[in-house]
Amino acid sequence: EAQVTQNPRYLITVTGKKLTVTCSQNMNHEYMSWYRQDPGLGLRQIYYSMNVEVTDKGDVPEGYKVSRKEKRNFPLILESPSPNQTSLYFCASSFLSSGSYGYTFGSGTRLTVV
Amino acid sequence: KNEVEQSPQNLTAQEGEFITINCSYSVGISALHWLQQHPGGGIVSLFMLSSGKKKHGRLIATINIQEKHSSLHITASHPRDSAVYICAVSSGGGADGLTFGKGTHLIIQP
Repeated sequence: EAQVTQNPRYLITVTGKKLTVTCSQNMNHEYMSWYRQDPGLGLRQIYYSMNVEVTDKGDVPEGYKVSRKEKRNFPLILESPSPNQTSLYFCASSFLSSGSYGYTFGSGTRLTVV
Repeated sequence: KNEVEQSPQNLTAQEGEFITINCSYSVGISALHWLQQHPGGGIVSLFMLSSGKKKHGRLIATINIQEKHSSLHITASHPRDSAVYICAVSSGGGADGLTFGKGTHLIIQP
């Protein structure tokens, strides 16, 4: 089954303790991206990657890092999490169709930083 | 930067009613996406539009490029249609990601 897999689904952590949220896709898509969703603000892009070793900042990249060492994986790294990073996170992978990119989203990771 | 506005923010309707959700954007786009998010659930892509109209089951999406406006219609609405519907746009082919509206929270009462 074609899918984007995020882990973990839920995570509670403490301020300053490094964490990684994994994202993996099995569709051989070149383009992957991370978003956070907050009440009243909606979804906002954190980082995106157009291919292996090619990443770029989205609208809210502060406090996050990413890496794209292989096509299928695009982990999101919080080196020193803070409470304002408490949010619902989504990973997506994209495919080119008729000149535009179609998106497949992961199931989300609900992160709480205390 | 594109600004994406959705209306209404909240909508409660009775089962069977015809539903319309609107989306407008400020700058030319390469594609517009309609997404569905159930409570506690992930995000599912319903439609990707660059022109005209698409239909899938009871869902219809239209876009007017000149007016920078799109609508999502649900015919014969059902309680299982209750969800948040999100409009998103991509520019330049979408290689720089999506810009999202804040979503429309739809509740269909039996």
